[in-house]
Amino acid sequence: GNSVTQMEGPVTLSEEAFLTINCTYTATGYPSLFWYVQYPGEGLQLLLKATKADDKGSNKGFEATYRKETTSFHLEKGSVQVSDSAVYFCALGGSARQLTFGSGTQLTVLP
Amino acid sequence: DSGVTQTPKHLITATGQRVTLRCSPRSGDLSVYWYQQSLDQGLQFLIQYYNGEERAKGNILERFSAQQFPDLHSELNLSSLELGDSALYFCASSVGTETQTQYFGPGTRLLVL
Repeated sequence: GNSVTQMEGPVTLSEEAFLTINCTYTATGYPSLFWYVQYPGEGLQLLLKATKADDKGSNKGFEATYRKETTSFHLEKGSVQVSDSAVYFCALGGSARQLTFGSGTQLTVLP
Repeated sequence: DSGVTQTPKHLITATGQRVTLRCSPRSGDLSVYWYQQSLDQGLQFLIQYYNGEERAKGNILERFSAQQFPDLHSELNLSSLELGDSALYFCASSVGTETQTQYFGPGTRLLVL
């Protein structure tokens, strides 16, 4: 079945540091890939997505590239801000259409 | 704001009780999904409805049931509640059953005492 393996947290960075959160997946067919963000006390917000191999999703300075050869969709940001502190979830949309989520990575950015 | 609304925001109840969680999808979305987020299980898909019909089932317990009404809002019914049912319950919606981009509501936090 489908599965998502996500880098374990928590991750603590200083403001303006470079961020990478690793995500790899196992799926049949050609799934879409997503990153969702959950700010404290809130629901999940779609951060970015990619629907086919080599697509790059980007939003608010975050980027992730759909790599079929390595089955990965790593999240990156060049310079994080305190306001980026949240939990980040990698997710896979498979043929069954419901999303399969990774375990989430808690990011804390210190001023 | 995703456009998906959920009520109530918080719910505190006792073991053995029954509760109903409500969700209104984004305007124009026909699919509604329910997810459970707990510390030990993470985010798990429960069930999907499309235009009133059940389309997919995930790890949903027999004590739980859902339905989608003609106005497209959905309700998740949880009965014979146990301590382990304490979790955040999210509703999400999407345009169609083939569209995989889902937009999430703010969630209902359920505490079973």
